[in-house]
Amino acid sequence: ETGVTQTPRHLVMGMTNKKSLKCEQHLGHNAMYWYKQSAKKPLELMFVYSLEERVENNSVPSRFSPECPNSSHLFLHLHTLQPEDSALYLCASSLSAASGGPGSYNEQFFGPGTRLTVL
Amino acid sequence: AQSVTQLDSQVPVFEEAPVELRCNYSSSVSVYLFWYVQYPNQGLQLLLKYLSGSTLVKGINGFEAEFNKSQTSFHLRKPSVHISDTAEYFCAVSGNNFNKFYFGSGTKLNVKP
Repeated sequence: ETGVTQTPRHLVMGMTNKKSLKCEQHLGHNAMYWYKQSAKKPLELMFVYSLEERVENNSVPSRFSPECPNSSHLFLHLHTLQPEDSALYLCASSLSAASGGPGSYNEQFFGPGTRLTVL
Repeated sequence: AQSVTQLDSQVPVFEEAPVELRCNYSSSVSVYLFWYVQYPNQGLQLLLKYLSGSTLVKGINGFEAEFNKSQTSFHLRKPSVHISDTAEYFCAVSGNNFNKFYFGSGTKLNVKP
């Protein structure tokens, strides 16, 4: 496998279910991100992990719980979701801004996404 | 705070015609600008980026964009599109913290034969 992979690619769940999304990067990066992509809305940054530490949490409801056990893996644990949570969830990775020094640039590489439907 | 506006949600165009996808941003700090493309059922792929230097940036697949600081714009252009360019295009801006990108709502380019 190369690049950024996400599993599953599609997920249908009821509001009482618990499920997890998985992201894995094979690029040697040390920062990882979760984005939510809804129709006709800008990509919403949900969580950022840099050097395995959460550095950003954009007021995401607690029914979404991220986990970053190491620099290559990122999970998004889901429980008691609502129908409005149905969306494409994208994972991305990059080198941490802290790694590159002042003025460095760290392109984000995206996975193919998980299409989530909440019934 | 930073934000990105893509005024056109959909742009239909015939094959081999030129196209321009518009992007305007707002920021109170120095900006770095990006265009990403998303093909159906795929993640986002970087087309091109502006970090510094020449305001005309060339990217992959024949696309280019021009950074205009006075108009706070970063429009994407291609002189002749192909059917394979049909996709959704996202403009994004980042400030000094490269780990935080702000994306526009996307423009769907539909190239017709």
